[in-house]
Amino acid sequence: DTGVSQNPRHKITKRGQNVTFRCDPISEHNRLYWYRQTLGQGPEFLTYFQNEAQLEKSRLLSDRFSAERPKGSFSTLEIQRTEQGDSAMYLCASSAIPERPEDEQYFGPGTRLTVT
Amino acid sequence: QKEVEQNSGPLSVPEGAIASLNCTYSDRGSQSFFWYRQYSGKSPELIMSIYSNGDKEDGRFTAQLNKASQYVSLLIRDSQPSDSATYLCAVNGGAAGNKLTFGGGTRVLVKP
Repeated sequence: DTGVSQNPRHKITKRGQNVTFRCDPISEHNRLYWYRQTLGQGPEFLTYFQNEAQLEKSRLLSDRFSAERPKGSFSTLEIQRTEQGDSAMYLCASSAIPERPEDEQYFGPGTRLTVT
Repeated sequence: QKEVEQNSGPLSVPEGAIASLNCTYSDRGSQSFFWYRQYSGKSPELIMSIYSNGDKEDGRFTAQLNKASQYVSLLIRDSQPSDSATYLCAVNGGAAGNKLTFGGGTRVLVKP
């Protein structure tokens, strides 16, 4: 069990540029989640996948954001035409379809995005 | 009203004492409850999960759930300076479905 990994760990980009982040979940975890966290706040849900299907998207996720999980393994989150308000920590989490009620989600190290 | 509420703190606790953190939630349909620890600049780390009413103990941590009163708490016994962090309460189930809804976190400072 190597844990959830995310790349890159840090990204600095200029306003208007596109960025893409990658998340590799814990192996054999079916569910993959993306959250965004700004300073002093708890993480906010963006979207989640069960296997390759994107099952839910937050209203926070504008049409500049798109996420994919081809083949139900790693996932990518792309932000087009970045804005300064997109500056945040982007967190990925994964979980297994639970046999117990608790659907425990484990987070990766995050990608810190700074838009200048 | 926020869906998950926590006192932002800081909660200052002497080393060796018990730290008590509280969290309330608004959705009565919520099913599972989690405590995450987050060090500054790092990602959240799961420390406790609880589903049933009552207490659940794991090492120095005890989670307490009261669904009737819609609150969940975390006790940290024998607090250590390394416990200084922000503790995030999260819930899922109910209207939220599988996603986690987080509170804003409680900052804990353990003083030697």
